[in-house]
Amino acid sequence: DAKTTQPNSMESNEEEPVHLPCNHSTISGTDYIHWYRQLPSQGPEYVIHGLTSNVNNRMASLAIAEDRKSSTLILHRATLRDAAVYYCTDKYNNAGNMLTFGGGTRLMVKP
Amino acid sequence: NAGVTQTPKFQVLKTGQSMTLQCAQDMNHEYMSWYRQDPGMGLRLIHYSVGAGITDQGEVPNGYNVSRSTTEDFPLRLLSAAPSQTSVYFCASSPRQTVYGYTFGSGTRLTVV
Repeated sequence: DAKTTQPNSMESNEEEPVHLPCNHSTISGTDYIHWYRQLPSQGPEYVIHGLTSNVNNRMASLAIAEDRKSSTLILHRATLRDAAVYYCTDKYNNAGNMLTFGGGTRLMVKP
Repeated sequence: NAGVTQTPKFQVLKTGQSMTLQCAQDMNHEYMSWYRQDPGMGLRLIHYSVGAGITDQGEVPNGYNVSRSTTEDFPLRLLSAAPSQTSVYFCASSPRQTVYGYTFGSGTRLTVV
């Protein structure tokens, strides 16, 4: 099955920027790119989404490549509370109405 | 608003027992779904609903039933629990336009012995 690909894990130092990459090798022209994160022992939470243009919100920024084959979630200043598993996805189920998720990137933040 | 509420938070079942995992949302979301999360496997879609009275199967539906009699509630039933169903279960809801983001519950950790 085609799916998005992310590194299994990444490390960052506290108060430094973090760039989390995602490859979308089979993305279609109308599919949005979504990012979620899951803090330890919690359910996933929405972070950001975008289609073609870069996006910013209070949690993060999303940079989308011009060909949309890759995206990068940017945390401008990592804190210890940002340690989580980060999921990117552009994939839906066969009916095209429910998001599907891969394994994500585990981000570790060092003090 | 409570968001998405899942009960119970923890459950231990014996093989062959049945039980219902409860999920309720107070955001008037049309879409609701159940995912299971196994170590290293990400989230896998079990069943979902696009509105009251409408349900459909996801990627891994075997051994589970759902119903959606109201907009608010979307229970997941394990018919005859098996050790392979040991997992963490998450319920999620979203507006019809899912691009606006899913809201997940805090999960139910189920162990089948």
